[in-house]
Amino acid sequence: GQQLNQSPQSMFIQEGEDVSMNCTSSSIFNTWLWYKQDPGEGPVLLIALYKAGELTSNGRLTAQFGITRKDSFLNISASIPSDVGIYFCAGPFLGAQKLVFGQGTRLTINP
Amino acid sequence: SQTIHQWPATLVQPVGSPLSLECTVEGTSNPNLYWYRQAAGRGLQLLFYSVGIGQISSEVPQNLSASRPQDRQFILSSKKLLLSDSGFYLCAWSRTGRSGELFFGEGSRLTVL
Repeated sequence: GQQLNQSPQSMFIQEGEDVSMNCTSSSIFNTWLWYKQDPGEGPVLLIALYKAGELTSNGRLTAQFGITRKDSFLNISASIPSDVGIYFCAGPFLGAQKLVFGQGTRLTINP
Repeated sequence: SQTIHQWPATLVQPVGSPLSLECTVEGTSNPNLYWYRQAAGRGLQLLFYSVGIGQISSEVPQNLSASRPQDRQFILSSKKLLLSDSGFYLCAWSRTGRSGELFFGEGSRLTVL
């Protein structure tokens, strides 16, 4: 079935550092989404991308929809403690009603 | 505004016992509804989704079932729990035609002993 590969699986950074993570697929997606999950809670949508090449920002977060439509990137600038959590990329199957998720990138920030 | 609520938040059940997790959405009509399971804090596995009352699609063969008795109500059930059913269960909804933008509930943590 459809699979999204996220990397890195884990990141350990210092507060204030920039973060970069990516997501790739063997299939084309028409939409890319990035979610964040805080411990013990449900994921929350951060950014949605609908067009190849699109670059979208949400505060300190910036995400890009790859030109090939098979990848996406998420960057976080000047990380702060509340950025800790698991970040998931996701994409809907073409014409389907369901969403497939990557395995997540766990972000840990050292004080 | 729209809200989603699922319960119970935490559940400890013995092997072989039944399960019922409930999810309701308020403030919208005819939503798409989903049940996901997350093991060990990583990865979201789609279990069931529904595009309307009584319409359930199953993604993974297992001893779980789902039902949608009302437009904004989604129930996850099992007649006999297995140890492998332990995990964090998440209900979510999306607007029709916007399947990518999911809004998740708070999650239900199930431990089967």
